[in-house]
Amino acid sequence: NAGVTQTPKFQVLKTGQSMTLQCAQDMNHNSMYWYRQDPGMGLRLIYYSASEGTTDKGEVPNGYNVSRLNKREFSLRLESAAPSQTSVYFCASSVTGGNNEKLFFGSGTQLSVL
Amino acid sequence: KQEVTQIPAALSVPEGENLVLNCSFTDSAIYNLQWFRQDPGKGLTSLLLIQSSQREQTSGRLNASLDKSSGRSTLYIAASQPGDSATYLCAVPPHSGNTPLVFGKGTRLSVIA
Repeated sequence: NAGVTQTPKFQVLKTGQSMTLQCAQDMNHNSMYWYRQDPGMGLRLIYYSASEGTTDKGEVPNGYNVSRLNKREFSLRLESAAPSQTSVYFCASSVTGGNNEKLFFGSGTQLSVL
Repeated sequence: KQEVTQIPAALSVPEGENLVLNCSFTDSAIYNLQWFRQDPGKGLTSLLLIQSSQREQTSGRLNASLDKSSGRSTLYIAASQPGDSATYLCAVPPHSGNTPLVFGKGTRLSVIA
């Protein structure tokens, strides 16, 4: 049971470098999300995609872009990484994004920007 | 804007104790509340989802209650075990409609054998 798969698990970047975090789910879910988790800040929503073909900003979208490539895949791109983007990134999905649904999470990507 | 608070931030108990984790939220007009578990270096796993019309939800040794009017939820863990050691987070939808969850910062639980 793969569920939500994130790659890579770890990444170290230098300031100014770019990279894309990949996320794929095999549960036929319509809605997908990207969160970041920082000590003392909790989980904060970066972007989400309520359905294939749509994306919306969350609480902390600056410095990030997303692509909902198809129903399964939702990628997060850092165009010019900054030390403030050092964090653990989580992808999540739910069936339709409705308020009475459980959220399923990937295992996270630990990103360090030097 | 919905805000979710969890107190205490960390809790350490001896094995076998019953314990209660607290979650409070500022906007009582919620559809539901979810409790999640996060193990170190791992993603979150949904434990319980309480609908706004429910007062309690149970799964094994876990019991979650919801009091919308007071903006509070509790997660009760009976007969705690070292394997229960993890961070527990609660989350609610920010307002009506299909919008993503707002999370508390979590309570880090340590159960000592």
